[in-house]
Amino acid sequence: NAGVMQNPRHLVRRRGQEARLRCSPMKGHSHVYWYRQLPEEGLKFMVYLQKENIIDESGMPKERFSAEFPKEGPSILRIQQVVRGDSAAYFCASSPGLGNEQFFGPGTRLTVL
Amino acid sequence: AQTVTQSQPEMSVQEAETVTLSCTYDTSENNYYLFWYKQPPSRQMILVIRQEAYKQQNATENRFSVNFQKAAKSFSLKISDSQLGDTAMYFCAFMNLSSNTGKLIFGQGTTLQVKP
Repeated sequence: NAGVMQNPRHLVRRRGQEARLRCSPMKGHSHVYWYRQLPEEGLKFMVYLQKENIIDESGMPKERFSAEFPKEGPSILRIQQVVRGDSAAYFCASSPGLGNEQFFGPGTRLTVL
Repeated sequence: AQTVTQSQPEMSVQEAETVTLSCTYDTSENNYYLFWYKQPPSRQMILVIRQEAYKQQNATENRFSVNFQKAAKSFSLKISDSQLGDTAMYFCAFMNLSSNTGKLIFGQGTTLQVKP
C-alpha cells in the first residue's frame, strides 16, 4: 500500500506565475488535508477536503489560493500569481475518516524567485 | 480557538541519555487527541505517539512516552535511550474531535540534537 504521494517534490516559479501542487492520498483514504510550513515554523492548516467537497478552508488565504479533490484523480492545491511570501513547504495528509491518524506525504517545496 | 505552545526552540542530549520535550495547549474542549510528530532532515512528517484525552493512562511507544496532564493542559514527550537517529524537529499537535474537520493544530516545534 503506497503512502501519500506528492508531486512535484520541488517547484520553482517566478513571481506572477501559477503553481499547481498534486497529492494522491493513500488507497482507501477519502479525506485530504493541506498544510503549509514556512521556514523555521510549524505546519499551519490550510484546507480539508473530502471527495468533490471542500469541508473547511478556514486556513486558506482568500485570494489566489484554491483547492480541489475531484472524484477521479489527485487533490490539487493551486496558487495563482505567486509571490515570494508563498515560498514554503506544502504538505498533504490523508486519512480514512474524521478523527483518524493523518498520514503525511513528503511535501512539495515551492520556491518563488 | 485552540493553541499549542512549545517553549523550547532547541534541545540537545547525549546519546543513550533521556530527554523531555515540553508542550502546552489551550482549549475549552473535552474531547480531543494530542500527537507528537517527528520531522527529520528529510522533512517527512512521522507520527511518534498519540494520546486520547479521555484516557488517563499515558501513551507509550517503545522508547517514547508522554506525560499527559489534562488539568494543566500539558503534554510532554520523553525519549529514553536517545539515539542519533532521533535527531529531528519535533512537533506537538492537537486535534479537536468535536469539530467537523479533524484538522491538526501544531506547535512551533523543538529541534532536538542527539550528540554522540
